[in-house]
Amino acid sequence: EAGVAQSPRYKIIEKRQSVAFWCNPISGHATLYWYQQILGQGPKLLIQFQNNGVVDDSQLPKDRFSAERLKGVDSTLKIQPAKLEDSAVYLCASSYGGLGYTFGSGTRLTVV
Amino acid sequence: AQRVTQPEKLLSVFKGAPVELKCNYSYSGSPELFWYVQYSRQRLQLLLRHISRESIKGFTADLNKGETSFHLKKPFAQEEDSAMYYCALKGDRGSTLGRLYFGRGTQLTVWP
Repeated sequence: EAGVAQSPRYKIIEKRQSVAFWCNPISGHATLYWYQQILGQGPKLLIQFQNNGVVDDSQLPKDRFSAERLKGVDSTLKIQPAKLEDSAVYLCASSYGGLGYTFGSGTRLTVV
Repeated sequence: AQRVTQPEKLLSVFKGAPVELKCNYSYSGSPELFWYVQYSRQRLQLLLRHISRESIKGFTADLNKGETSFHLKKPFAQEEDSAMYYCALKGDRGSTLGRLYFGRGTQLTVWP
């Protein structure tokens, strides 16, 4: 079974630039999550999708972050404009009804 | 409010010694508790979940609702156990359903 795919693995950008991350969940997993993991902290949920609908985006800084999952499969997380404090690993995870919770390898973002 | 506390940021033991990684939680409902592990340069992966009551790689964890704890234990640590360990809680209602709340993690180092 293929795992959760994420790209790119690494990204370095200057502050105020924009960046996008892509996630392909496990086939058949209706629920998709984006987590932010800042160095020295545990992952924190940014947004949760059920198919292509948003279940929870209460922790998403909506003034600069956006996410979409148009066809209920792949998802994109965007930051525009980026700030220094956005430097983190962005993890995508998927599950089927809360079961089989699987994480991707993450995208490490450095904002300079 | 949901909270997971891992009091130890770093934990070092010698090979063959017992190890206990502490986790305390705060949640008003009936949470599901997990331990995740992240080995160097690998993705976050599930180690064990409290409802399974299983032993994985010699690790066990018992949910103590009275003390709101879910400590991870292993009687004889091995060098390959060196990794970052995260305790996580999964919500069981409303907008918390399916969402994972993580502790900050404990870096375990097992010396030869």
